[in-house]
Amino acid sequence: DAGVIQSPRHEVTEMGQEVTLRCKPISGHDYLFWYRQTMMRGLELLIYFNNNVPIDDSGMPEDRFSAKMPNASFSTLKIQPSEPRDSAVYFCASSSGTGGLETQYFGPGTRLLVL
Amino acid sequence: QKEVEQDPGPLSVPEGAIVSLNCTYSNSAFQYFMWYRQYSRKGPELLMYTYSSGNKEDGRFTAQVDKSSKYISLFIRDSQPSDSATYLCAMVGNTGNQFYFGTGTSLTVIP
Repeated sequence: DAGVIQSPRHEVTEMGQEVTLRCKPISGHDYLFWYRQTMMRGLELLIYFNNNVPIDDSGMPEDRFSAKMPNASFSTLKIQPSEPRDSAVYFCASSSGTGGLETQYFGPGTRLLVL
Repeated sequence: QKEVEQDPGPLSVPEGAIVSLNCTYSNSAFQYFMWYRQYSRKGPELLMYTYSSGNKEDGRFTAQVDKSSKYISLFIRDSQPSDSATYLCAMVGNTGNQFYFGTGTSLTVIP
């Protein structure tokens, strides 16, 4: 298995632009998580899905952030409009039903820089 | 007070030393306790997880949970330079929607 796949790996954009991050979970996993990591705040859970349904989005910072999971093999995290304070590494992770939240497999992350 | 507290370090030890990494927490509902390792510019990878109190051993790594003290530990025996990474603790409550990561402890093992 290729593991969790994220794209792009790096993104540099200007303030006000729309940013879309993509994630392909491990085949057969039914949980998908989006995280943001910064030096100041560490790793923060933004939202997670179970069977393509959002379960907890309490970590989404504001309305500028939205996440979708149209099918079991694809999810997007969108920021519109982007701001410099959104600069961070965004990770996607997935896990299977038997592992639940405890055994998550992380992707390599997307490094986002908003100028 | 944060749900999970973890000393950020950095921690620097000589090769072969025993390393102790720790987290404290405030929510008694946490039931699952995990340790993740994160190498520089990589995603976290799960090292170990335990359910409720007790010890769990895997090779050079031992995870320990003391629910009465709300304290978890990860011990690394015979530490190697390849263990140099950031170690994050994580916890899940029994309802599944209480989920928190610690901020991570940076470890360097010096050859």
